[in-house]
Amino acid sequence: KAGVTQTPRYLIKTRGQQVTLSCSPISGHRSVSWYQQTPGQGLQFLFEYFSETQRNKGNFPGRFSGRQFSNSRSEMNVSTLELGDSALYLCASSPDGTGTYEQYFGPGTRLTVT
Amino acid sequence: QQQVKQSPQSLIVQKGGISIINCAYENTAFDYFPWYQQFPGKGPALLIAIRPDVSEKKEGRFTISFNKSAKQFSLHIMDSQPGDSATYFCAASRYVQGAQKLVFGQGTRLTINP
Repeated sequence: KAGVTQTPRYLIKTRGQQVTLSCSPISGHRSVSWYQQTPGQGLQFLFEYFSETQRNKGNFPGRFSGRQFSNSRSEMNVSTLELGDSALYLCASSPDGTGTYEQYFGPGTRLTVT
Repeated sequence: QQQVKQSPQSLIVQKGGISIINCAYENTAFDYFPWYQQFPGKGPALLIAIRPDVSEKKEGRFTISFNKSAKQFSLHIMDSQPGDSATYFCAASRYVQGAQKLVFGQGTRLTINP
């Protein structure tokens, strides 16, 4: 089985712009979670989607949003980018997110905001 | 209540030695405690995990020790090898609104000297 894939792998944006990141979960996995990883804050939970519905949300401003499609692929969007949004954005999938706790991470998208 | 505190931030161990990383949590609602290993340029990968009804779990050279009363858990890497050099994250999980929510420690950068 192919692992979790994320596109693009690297991205450079200017402050004030918006960005969309994409995540394709492992085939058959229906739960997708997004995390932000920075040297200062570590790994922080953004949100989780299951069957196209957001079930959980972390403590991030409304500029961070996401969605999930019927094929379980997910996108996250960050509007009005700030310098502090520079980070590695990780996507993780799990089979159903309920009884199974193991999450499989993708390689991440490295976002740099200048 | 949501934090997981991890120490040390960095650790240098000689090849063949024992690497020990510690984590502490506050929220007794956490019911699953995984450890993740992350190599540069890769997403975190699940290494080993434990539930609070077990005091120890061993998989090969990796052992989790869990102390429920002290709300602490630790990762022991026996016979540490240069290939174990990576960043290690502990995490704690609980059910929130029908889905698992992971909270990560700050990470420990482990270096194994040959």
